[in-house]
Amino acid sequence: GQQVMQIPQYQHVQEGEDFTTYCNSSTTLSNIQWYKQRPGGHPVFLIQLVKSGEVKKQKRLTFQFGEAKKNSSLHITATQTTDVGTYFCAGRSGNQFYFGTGTSLTVIP
Amino acid sequence: NAGVTQTPKFQVLKTGQSMTLQCAQDMNHEYMSWYRQDPGMGLRLIHYSVGAGITDQGEVPNGYNVSRSTTEDFPLRLLSAAPSQTSVYFCASSYLGGGTDTQYFGPGTRLTVL
Repeated sequence: GQQVMQIPQYQHVQEGEDFTTYCNSSTTLSNIQWYKQRPGGHPVFLIQLVKSGEVKKQKRLTFQFGEAKKNSSLHITATQTTDVGTYFCAGRSGNQFYFGTGTSLTVIP
Repeated sequence: NAGVTQTPKFQVLKTGQSMTLQCAQDMNHEYMSWYRQDPGMGLRLIHYSVGAGITDQGEVPNGYNVSRSTTEDFPLRLLSAAPSQTSVYFCASSYLGGGTDTQYFGPGTRLTVL
């Protein structure tokens, strides 16, 4: 069946360091979305990528969608303590969304 | 707008008991879904609906029932709770198509089955 894998599962960084999480799907996706979940909270939508090879930026966050529409990445430049949380990718296939396992980011002040 | 609301926030059940998790949205979204979140496993889709009167199974539907009689409400029923159903349950809603599939999540229900 459909699988969306995400690595790493955990990442600890010093404040100011960069952070990247990678998302890989076993099948081609219609689009990919990224969500952030703060500890004890619910997932909050960050961005959606639709086109092959698409790159989008939100301030210090850069999102990429692979050429084959099977992989994606989220890169955070110069992390801040406010970046703490778990980042999930979610791929749409038909009317179903498949979430990655998430990357939990800890930022050490 | 209240967005997506879920009740209850916390629930403890005994094995074999039944209950309904409530979910409502006031954004007139066609698409609604239920996920369960377990440590290290991300969010897994239980059931989803693309409109009133239409429901379908997701990745992990066993042990759960849903119905969609109105656009606003999408309750999730556990007919006979099992310890394996201990989890955090999130309801989400979105438009379908129109260039964005942004899913809006409710605050979640933390369920423990003893």
